[in-house]
Amino acid sequence: QKEVEQDPGPLSVPEGAIVSLNCTYSNSAFQYFMWYRQYSRKGPELLMYTYSSGNKEDGRFTAQVDKSSKYISLFIRDSQPSDSATYLCAMSATGNQFYFGTGTSLTVIP
Amino acid sequence: EAGVTQFPSHSVIEKGQTVTLRCDPISGHDNLYWYRRVMGKEIKFLLHFVKESKQDESGMPNNRFLAERTGGTYSTLKVQPAELEDSGVYFCASSARTRRGEQFFGPGTRLTVL
Repeated sequence: QKEVEQDPGPLSVPEGAIVSLNCTYSNSAFQYFMWYRQYSRKGPELLMYTYSSGNKEDGRFTAQVDKSSKYISLFIRDSQPSDSATYLCAMSATGNQFYFGTGTSLTVIP
Repeated sequence: EAGVTQFPSHSVIEKGQTVTLRCDPISGHDNLYWYRRVMGKEIKFLLHFVKESKQDESGMPNNRFLAERTGGTYSTLKVQPAELEDSGVYFCASSARTRRGEQFFGPGTRLTVL
């Protein structure tokens, strides 16, 4: 069983839509949760960083962590074509070794 | 502030040859990590340095891989001899000592072993 499960998509939405991306995990020791955005042939770009549980908002992005369900989400409001990328979730128990999902490919159609 | 840089961006070598990848972390970041993504799989942890010391190398696949971080600045990852299954994208990341969970990634080195 993988440590982190993420639906690979692809996900295609019209511009302006709300996007919901999710990951589930099995290790209850995870307490660091990250979302990265990766454009083709580029490195992962840190989007959101959450420690422990709860919500965190940054502009159009909201990250949620539900440790009781071992479930994390990233919401993108008012999605833009420039949001088209692969979104990776990552999590860790120690803040050092991170376990990644396989990534969800998102396309925002103008 | 410059981000994490990696060199080369792409390397094509033949099986049995040696390749050395370099990573320059964000200035002042004590923590340096190497990860690898094999085609079709998720990004996987290889090892972690704190300054020049290896803290965790549990993800290193075998003894053909050697990582160093002399002086606690840049790091190198050597693969010797390279095998076909070593092909993939090698990422380096760094984080500040007080914000270790906040890892910033470099653009990666795409390694192709023929």
